[in-house]
Amino acid sequence: DVKVTQSSRYLVKRTGEKVFLECVQDMDHENMFWYRQDPGLGLRLIYFSYDVKMKEKGDIPEGYSVSREKKERFSLILESASTNQTSMYLCASSVPGQGGEKLFFGSGTQLSVL
Amino acid sequence: DQQVKQNSPSLSVQEGRISILNCDYTNSMFDYFLWYKKYPAEGPTFLISISSIKDKNEDGRFTVFLNKSAKHLSLHIVPSQPGDSAVYFCAASAEGRDDKIIFGKGTRLHILP
Repeated sequence: DVKVTQSSRYLVKRTGEKVFLECVQDMDHENMFWYRQDPGLGLRLIYFSYDVKMKEKGDIPEGYSVSREKKERFSLILESASTNQTSMYLCASSVPGQGGEKLFFGSGTQLSVL
Repeated sequence: DQQVKQNSPSLSVQEGRISILNCDYTNSMFDYFLWYKKYPAEGPTFLISISSIKDKNEDGRFTVFLNKSAKHLSLHIVPSQPGDSAVYFCAASAEGRDDKIIFGKGTRLHILP
């Protein structure tokens, strides 16, 4: 089974801190994604990557950056955390051409910014 | 503007009855549609998908119907079981595009005993 692992389940940070969310997948998937989930807003794409060192902005990239130095690892960076970035963050991976890109998600990181 | 719409935030269904979750889309370029299921404190998991060349796909208790002319799809769960209580996300994508999957806002399904 595909395993997508997010480094933290719960994280509490202060406003202005730099925050790193790490994600690792073990199935050699080319594609990796970062979403955030908020009540009433569903899943919104922050950034995605189709290859090492490649990144593309999603729907809500402001305030975030990403890093993909190795195929299996995709990091989300909050340069200066703000309270409106309190959310559930979900990492996913997929193989392109799987008929609609079936995504495999990690368990999520619930981030609280105080 | 929302390209994938789930207009019912929540739905309650008696155990053993049929659950019907609806989804509308606006982009005629979408040609793959997926349903994901999410339990609290877990990531979403893929449930079932359908290509635009089909109008129905079935997998056990789960059936997805696609009406292209109406730009509407629905997920039927029959019979509904307590473990089906979760949030269900409808999603759509366009094959061959260097693109991303678009998710709806989700419908929370409660299966009542």
